[in-house]
Amino acid sequence: QKEVEQDPGPLSVPEGAIVSLNCTYSNSAFQYFMWYRQYSRKGPELLMYTYSSGNKEDGRFTAQVDKSSKYISLFIRDSQPSDSATYLCASPTLSGGSYIPTFGRGTSLIVHP
Amino acid sequence: DTEVTQTPKHLVMGMTNKKSLKCEQHMGHRAMYWYKQKAKKPPELMFVYSYEKLSINESVPSRFSPECPNSSLLNLHLHALQPEDSALYLCASSQEGKRNTGELFFGEGSRLTVL
Repeated sequence: QKEVEQDPGPLSVPEGAIVSLNCTYSNSAFQYFMWYRQYSRKGPELLMYTYSSGNKEDGRFTAQVDKSSKYISLFIRDSQPSDSATYLCASPTLSGGSYIPTFGRGTSLIVHP
Repeated sequence: DTEVTQTPKHLVMGMTNKKSLKCEQHMGHRAMYWYKQKAKKPPELMFVYSYEKLSINESVPSRFSPECPNSSLLNLHLHALQPEDSALYLCASSQEGKRNTGELFFGEGSRLTVL
């Protein structure tokens, strides 16, 4: 079993829809959670970073963590075609003195006009 | 624009060639990383340098040889690669020590094709 599981999609939605992207994780030691966004042929960029259980909001994006069920979600309100990308959830663990993210396989999101 | 710069953006090489990928960052980060990413897969960690010293090698074949000449530069030397090594190679950097939050700053990647 992979430590971070994520449905690869693709998830196709119309513009303006509310999008829900989800991950589950198995390692109870995970304390921090992140969402990276990766556009086609580009490197990933950090979108959201959360530490504790609960919600964190940033504009149209809301990250939610439920540590009791080991479930991570990213909600996108009023989705736009520019949100079309692959979304990777991740959790960093300390290894060799550095925090190394363990990535999910990513969910491909397509927002069509 | 990303603050981690990778060159070249595209590279095609034969199995007997020797080439290098280069990465540069000027954010003062002291940890630098090489990742390999195949299509529709997450990035896979290859190497981590911390304060210019190799701290993690994820059992990468010796045909990949990393080098960190100084705190801003990271190279990946390639020799005798196989077609299955074709992938997007991503460089990343991060804070180190007490300021390390696990946030990585990625470059745009070097797309490698091995013929």
